[in-house]
Amino acid sequence: DIQMTQSPSSVSASVGDRVTITCRASQSISRWLAWHQQKPGKAPKLLIYKASSLERGVPSRFSASGSGTEFTLTISSLQPDDFGTYYCQQYNDSVTFGGGTKVEIK
Amino acid sequence: QVQLVQSGAEVKKPGASVKISCKSSGYIFNKSGIIWVRQAPGQGLEWMGWISAYTGDTKSAQRHQDRVTLTTETSTNTAYMELRTLRSDDTAIYYCARDHQKQWLVPDSWGQGTLVIVSS
Repeated sequence: DIQMTQSPSSVSASVGDRVTITCRASQSISRWLAWHQQKPGKAPKLLIYKASSLERGVPSRFSASGSGTEFTLTISSLQPDDFGTYYCQQYNDSVTFGGGTKVEIK
Repeated sequence: QVQLVQSGAEVKKPGASVKISCKSSGYIFNKSGIIWVRQAPGQGLEWMGWISAYTGDTKSAQRHQDRVTLTTETSTNTAYMELRTLRSDDTAIYYCARDHQKQWLVPDSWGQGTLVIVSS
């Protein structure tokens, strides 16, 4: 199975800060990577697919890049509503999720 | 709008089975697949499997494939996931989600989740 490793496991940042989350795959997954946001007690929400394609309705402050084994999700200017846990998901070979990155607002 | 509504919480004893339903609306059911994901308490997301609502083809996570059965009922736009021989570590919230219109195996609209508790 392909393992997905996210870092950091948690981050605390202020409104307006730039936040970057990294996801590493144990082997190349080309660009078959998605990012999801989950708030406490809620189902996840898709943000990004195919490494860098913004899902319809997702604010443009979210962007992502990468290919092969290393990927990043960036929030350009953190907003109060951006708290939650962010998961990467590979879908190159079956499906696996990263362990999550908890984003807290200072 | 796209909606996926799941069945209610279940409490099961170890060794029993559970069958969760996921009723879709707001899109053409047999033009997408349904993905199943679970989340143990305080833990991350774990993929369970996928079913095509058009062909009935399935793909399950290797570690679950002996215990999971995925089905659909196109007459009612409903997908089902049955998990057998339950263990305490199957206690989790189980989510269904619609397959993305452009990316196979990417969930784009999620159900509200079904809590399954396995306890003697």
